Amino acid sequence: AQSVAQPEDQVNVAEGNPLTVKCTYSVSGNPYLFWYVQYPNRGLQFLLKYITGDNLVKGSYGFEAEFNKSQTSFHLKKPSALVSDSALYFCAVRAKGTALIFGKGTTLSVSS
Amino acid sequence: GAGVSQSPSNKVTEKGKDVELRCDPISGHTALYWYRQRLGQGLEFLIYFQGNSAPDKSGLPSDRFSAERTGESVSTLTIQRTQQEDSAVYLCASSLDRTSSYNEQFFGPGTRLTVL
Repeated sequence: AQSVAQPEDQVNVAEGNPLTVKCTYSVSGNPYLFWYVQYPNRGLQFLLKYITGDNLVKGSYGFEAEFNKSQTSFHLKKPSALVSDSALYFCAVRAKGTALIFGKGTTLSVSS
Repeated sequence: GAGVSQSPSNKVTEKGKDVELRCDPISGHTALYWYRQRLGQGLEFLIYFQGNSAPDKSGLPSDRFSAERTGESVSTLTIQRTQQEDSAVYLCASSLDRTSSYNEQFFGPGTRLTVL
């Protein structure tokens, strides 16, 4: 069965420091991996995706994610966090022909 | 262009009543999805539509839940005889083509349903 795990309910980081939000997945076949962000009282916004090719994917707002097939991970990263990055982040995975499976989300809190 | 829109934004209803939630996808998007997000939880897939194909209803939690879509436009999610455990935010998303699994989904703002 397909699944996504976000092992941290919350990540706290100081503004200007690098941030990492972790995600691991389990899927049969080649995975398609996504990160979404949800700001308070707003819908989910697409950040980036991995389909194939370069393991380092760059997305919106300076975020990037690294696909690691051997560790079945797709961690979200940003070199320098902003207070405005504080939000709820969701990792999602799908295999060909299946529905999109979301993790439970990680709350990122960036302090000034 | 306009994004995915949903109405109402908030709905408070009494246990046992029926409710209907509406989603307007992005024009030209053939795939449409419904999800449920309970407080503190991730997104739970409910149903998706792809063009004129039969919808995938595998995520619907009970026969009280149903959804329809008119062609490649508006969709309605209906919950009959609502229960308190139905309280959640219901999110709609659309994407260009469901058959291409790597197309990202664009989400609406959601409908917050509260069942008293």
